[in-house]
Parts: sequence; C-alpha cells; structure tokens
Amino acid sequence: GAGVSQSPSNKVTEKGKDVELRCDPISGHTALYWYRQRLGQGLEFLIYFQGNSAPDKSGLPSDRFSAERTGESVSTLTIQRTQQEDSAVYLCASSLESFGDTQYFGPGTRLTVL
Amino acid sequence: AQSVTQLGSHVSVSEGALVLLRCNYSSSVPPYLFWYVQYPNQGLQLLLKYTSAATLVKGINGFEAEFKKSETSFHLTKPSAHMSDAAEYFCAVTNDYKLSFGAGTTVTVRA
Repeated sequence: GAGVSQSPSNKVTEKGKDVELRCDPISGHTALYWYRQRLGQGLEFLIYFQGNSAPDKSGLPSDRFSAERTGESVSTLTIQRTQQEDSAVYLCASSLESFGDTQYFGPGTRLTVL
Repeated sequence: AQSVTQLGSHVSVSEGALVLLRCNYSSSVPPYLFWYVQYPNQGLQLLLKYTSAATLVKGINGFEAEFKKSETSFHLTKPSAHMSDAAEYFCAVTNDYKLSFGAGTTVTVRA
C-alpha cells in the first residue's frame, strides 16, 4: 500500500516568509508525528497527533511553529516568519497505534531559508 | 526521559567485511528500540525493532541487533557488507510514543 507522503519535497523561501508543509499518513494510522533533522544531526521530535488532537507539542521550538491535523488524515506544519535556523529536513511519520508502535516515515521536506 | 548515544559518526568498511554499529541508550523503564536506515535524499526505513520478545532481533537486508540490558546496548551488525549498505543509520528508543534518536552513523563501503 501507499506509504507516508510529504509535499513539497523541497522548499526554498526567504527569511520572514511563512511556509506550509504537508503530510499524508498511511491510511488508517491514528498517530502522526513531525520531526526535524538538521544537517549532521539526529532527528528531534516536534509534535505528536492522536487522531486530530495534539497531546504533545513539547518539541515545537517556538510559537512561530504550529501544526494541525484534519479528518484524522492530512497534517500541515506551518512555520511563520521563517528564520535561517529553520533550515532543515522536516520528516513526518505515522503509526497504527502510538505506544511503542513502529513509526513509518515519509521522504521529508527539505526547507531552505535564505 | 531517554537518550541514545551512537559511537562513531562515520564507519568505513570493506565490501564483505563485518559491519558493527554501536548504540547505547538510557531509559528509566524497559524501552522499545529501533534501528532505521536513511539513504540519500530519502526518509527513514525501519531495519529492525526490539520489543522484548527476543534479545537477538533479525531485520531486513541481513542486519541483526542484540539487546543487552546489562550493558544498555543495542548494537547493529551485518556479517558481510555490500555496496548497497552505504547509508546513514540511526538508533532510536522510546518507552511511549516519542522517539529519541542518536546522532546517526554514516557507513561507507569500500570496494
């Protein structure tokens, strides 16, 4: 079946602009996650959705970052007033359940802020 | 809270040689442990997962990992490296839903 998809695959923006990153999880997966991967670093957790609710937003680095999920499906990560330090690969993952379940990752969106 | 340490950011092996990637973790409760592989410009692909059913876990592409509670380790091995194993490998741990990742180990394979 189809895996996790993300769009766009690449995004170049100017400092101060807003960007939206999209994630389509595997159908039927109730849990959805966003991670950020900076150059040469491991992944850092941003936010977790269970259904359409986000019980854990603890990894969002600032109030410029927000995310939503609708229809227990698509999720959008929005970064307002982008800064150069926001440049990274943003990875989305989904899992059937949450506790200890295998997370399946999308290919990521590479964000470059000039 | 959990944390993961991967020893060695780069590993170079000859084709046909043993691949050994080290991972140590800290966790206050028995964890779930994962190894993921990332090929250039791709997302993460699951290699294998430890869930306490067996300490030796076999994964895809000939990889396996052994959970050693006394050493808090979950090292990844493959007996014979192939050129297609060149990639970045991440160890991850969780005892709930939030994965904590190591910094990754890049594997290069010499012909």
